[in-house]
Amino acid sequence: NAGVTQTPKFQVLKTGQSMTLQCAQDMNHNSMYWYRQDPGMGLRLIYYSASEGTTDKGEVPNGYNVSRLNKREFSLRLESAAPSQTSVYFCASQETGRNTEAFFGQGTRLTVV
Amino acid sequence: GDSVTQMEGPVTLSEEAFLTINCTYTATGYPSLFWYVQYPGEGLQLLLKATKADDKGSNKGFEATYRKETTSFHLEKGSVQVSDSAVYFCASTIYNQGGKLIFGQGTELSVKP
Repeated sequence: NAGVTQTPKFQVLKTGQSMTLQCAQDMNHNSMYWYRQDPGMGLRLIYYSASEGTTDKGEVPNGYNVSRLNKREFSLRLESAAPSQTSVYFCASQETGRNTEAFFGQGTRLTVV
Repeated sequence: GDSVTQMEGPVTLSEEAFLTINCTYTATGYPSLFWYVQYPGEGLQLLLKATKADDKGSNKGFEATYRKETTSFHLEKGSVQVSDSAVYFCASTIYNQGGKLIFGQGTELSVKP
C-alpha cells in the first residue's frame, strides 16, 4: 500500500528559486493538507483542500501556493524561496469526518541557502 | 482559539521506566483527540485516539484518557522500550472544521538501554 507519497525527499534551493513539492494519495480521501515542521513549533498548517478543486489557507500560507487538480494530487509551490522556508514539509490526507485518522507522507526536507 | 500544549522535551528514560507525556487542549465544543508518533526519518502515524469524554485510547501498550474536566489527554506507558524512542504529537480537531487537526509542538522521547 503506497498511502501518501511525497516527492522529492530532499531539496536544496537558492534564495529566489522556485519549486513544486508533489503529493499523491491512493486512498480516495477527500481532504488533503500541507504542513511544515520546525523545531519547537510542532506542525503548522500551510494550506488544505477539503475536496477536489477547493483550497483554503491555513495558519502560515504566505510565500506558498497550492493546486488540487484532481482527487489524488495536491501540490505545494514556492514561487520565490526564502531561507525562512527551510523546513520539513509533510503532506497528509484524510477521509472527511471529525473522528478520522490523517495519513502522512514521509516528508520533504527543504533547505534554502 | 483552539490550541494544544504538550510538555517540553526531550524526555530521557531508562528501558522499562514509566512514561507520562502531558497534553492539554483548549477548544470550542467537544473535539476528538489524537496522539501521533514520528519515528526518525519518517512521517507521522496515528498511535491512538479518543472521540468523547472519558474514552480511553490504547495501542502498543500506550494509553490516554480524554478528561473533559481537566481538558487533558496525557499519554502513558507502563514500561518503555528502546524502540519507543520517537517524537510524540498530541492533536485535537478544530471546532466546526470537519476533521482538520491542530498539533502540539511535539515531545521527543529517548529511551536508553
